[in-house]
Amino acid sequence: GESVGLHLPTLSVQEGDNSIINCAYSNSASDYFIWYKQESGKGPQFIIDIRSNMDKRQGQRVTVLLNKTVKHLSLQIAATQPGDSAVYFCAEEKAAGNKLTFGGGTRVLVKP
Amino acid sequence: DSGVTQTPKHLITATGQRVTLRCSPRSGDLSVYWYQQSLDQGLQFLIQYYNGEERAKGNILERFSAQQFPDLHSELNLSSLELGDSALYFCASSVSTGNTIYFGEGSWLTVV
Repeated sequence: GESVGLHLPTLSVQEGDNSIINCAYSNSASDYFIWYKQESGKGPQFIIDIRSNMDKRQGQRVTVLLNKTVKHLSLQIAATQPGDSAVYFCAEEKAAGNKLTFGGGTRVLVKP
Repeated sequence: DSGVTQTPKHLITATGQRVTLRCSPRSGDLSVYWYQQSLDQGLQFLIQYYNGEERAKGNILERFSAQQFPDLHSELNLSSLELGDSALYFCASSVSTGNTIYFGEGSWLTVV
């Protein structure tokens, strides 16, 4: 499949290291945040979400941190694997309705 | 597999033509969303339907229209196509507002 978003910031990570992907969101009224992973030629895949009443949420090998003071969201991937190579998007949603606004994305490249 | 099905996967058409993209949401999901992903615009929200009714509208052109049918599948109609309409069009669905949104694999539209 073709790639989209060619002009993306890229994070190169050594296999086995931890990855940290950062995202600044725009709307202080947003109360729901999601991280998606998009592999080449595929649709965005849900990774993990967090609501604004939380600062941290953990999943399998992933942790999302939310800092509402500076409107910053991060995704930490532990022990990064080659299969983690993809574009990662953060998305925010306001309380009313379910319109997700996506960030520009970060490309993660895992080096063997 | 997210459970959201989109057809066709690839489509090539000429400028000025009209196409219809189809989406079947996950079983039980009442909300359907359409997103456009192009190289220079990232993921852009187009429109949302909930149980057959339009719920939210994003940056959808007047040449584009969508609907959600009683069986909850949705169609996105793109008319008077221009070269700049070439993009990946994603459908997504969720149970209701405020729930996780799952994406389909997308429909690649190329306008020549």
